[in-house]
Amino acid sequence: GAGVSQTPSNKVTEKGKYVELRCDPISGHTALYWYRQSLGQGPEFLIYFQGTGAADDSGLPNDRFFAVRPEGSVSTLKIQRTERGDSAVYLCASSADVSSYNEQFFGPGTRLTVL
Amino acid sequence: GQQVMQIPQYQHVQEGEDFTTYCNSSTTLSNIQWYKQRPGGHPVFLIQLVKSGEVKKQKRLTFQFGEAKKNSSLHITATQTTDVGTYFCAGPTDGGSQGNLIFGKGTKLSVKP
Repeated sequence: GAGVSQTPSNKVTEKGKYVELRCDPISGHTALYWYRQSLGQGPEFLIYFQGTGAADDSGLPNDRFFAVRPEGSVSTLKIQRTERGDSAVYLCASSADVSSYNEQFFGPGTRLTVL
Repeated sequence: GQQVMQIPQYQHVQEGEDFTTYCNSSTTLSNIQWYKQRPGGHPVFLIQLVKSGEVKKQKRLTFQFGEAKKNSSLHITATQTTDVGTYFCAGPTDGGSQGNLIFGKGTKLSVKP
C-alpha cells in the first residue's frame, strides 16, 4: 500500500501569514506524529495523536502551532503568524499504534520557508 | 531535560573501511530505534533494540544496546557508497513506552569511492 504522504512538499510564505500542512498516514495506522527537523539536526517531536485525540502536544513550541486529526486519519498542522524561525522541514510519521515498540513510517516532509 | 547524544557528528571514510556511531541517553530507555536518512530524504527505520545487552545484525550492520539501556552503537563493516546518509538513534521520551521519540542529532556518513 501507499506510504505516508505529505502536502505540499514545499511551502514558501511571508512572515505573519498562516499556513496549513497536511499529512495522510498509512491506512489503518492509529498513531500519527508530527516532528520538525532543522538543518543538521534530528527530528524534534511536536505532537502525536492516537485516533482523533492529541495524546501529547508537549512539543509544540507555542500557541501559534496547532494540529487536528478530526476523523482519525488525515492530520493538519496549522501555524499562525509564521515567523522566520519556523522555517524547517515538517515531518509526519505514522505507526500501528502509539506504543514506542512500533516502528514509525515517515513521510517525505514539507519544507516550510518563511521569508 | 532528557537528552540523546550521538558522536561523531560527521564521519568521512574510504569505501571498504568500517564505521561506528555511538548514542548515549541521559535516561534509561525501554527501547532504542535506529533510523537512516539519505541526503534529501526522510528517516527510514532500520531496527529496534529492546533487551539489555542486545546485539542484532543486518548484513554488514551490527547494532548493540548497552547493559544499562542508556547507550547504543551502530557499526558498519566494509562501508559502501550506498551507506551514505545520516544515522539517527531515537528513544521514547522519558524512557517510557509511548511513541513520541527523542532523536539524537545524528552522525552524517560520507563514503569516498
